[in-house]
Amino acid sequence: QKEVEQNSGPLSVPEGAIASLNCTYSDRGSQSFFWYRQYSGKSPELIMSIYSNGDKEDGRFTAQLNKASQYVSLLIRDSQPSDSATYLCAVNAYAGGTSYGKLTFGQGTILTVHP
Amino acid sequence: SQTIHQWPATLVQPVGSPLSLECTVEGTSNPNLYWYRQAAGRGLQLLFYSVGIGQISSEVPQNLSASRPQDRQFILSSKKLLLSDSGFYLCAWIPGLAGPGGGVDTQYFGPGTRLTVL
Repeated sequence: QKEVEQNSGPLSVPEGAIASLNCTYSDRGSQSFFWYRQYSGKSPELIMSIYSNGDKEDGRFTAQLNKASQYVSLLIRDSQPSDSATYLCAVNAYAGGTSYGKLTFGQGTILTVHP
Repeated sequence: SQTIHQWPATLVQPVGSPLSLECTVEGTSNPNLYWYRQAAGRGLQLLFYSVGIGQISSEVPQNLSASRPQDRQFILSSKKLLLSDSGFYLCAWIPGLAGPGGGVDTQYFGPGTRLTVL
């Protein structure tokens, strides 16, 4: 069973701090990794995608991928109260060499940024 | 630009009643389409996916079914709802893949349908 595990929450950080969200995955053949943000009652929206080992930065967000350790993380710098949401890690789900675009999601980490 | 629609936005149904949720995508052709369910406080569970008209793959055995009567239309149905069917139903799409082993693109989600079964 392919699994995606996220660090247990909820995570609470003060405004302006760095929030660190972690995710591990079991399928060593996974090649595409995504972070989504989901506000309460809303649908998930994409924050970052990452495909290669290393860091990828987009504004205040940095995704980090380590395929050898089967680990992907998301750092949010200068956290704002508007960043308070559930963050979902997603990994492509290959079966027999074909993914058909299917994703396996982690259970999500609730982040609260307090003023 | 591409847009994805879902309706209805909210639905309250009695146990044992039928269900039909609709998802349509605009601005693209031959997308891959996906139905997910998110139970309260839980992650997303993939229910069905479709790579083309009439092509449906089921991920989880249940009393739900899916159909794709048109290229950009994806329907989720049930003949008799159970209490456990309550949840947030999300439709997502990506551009159609080139074939086996094709790269994965980003999934974009519709606004969702919140279903409550009483």
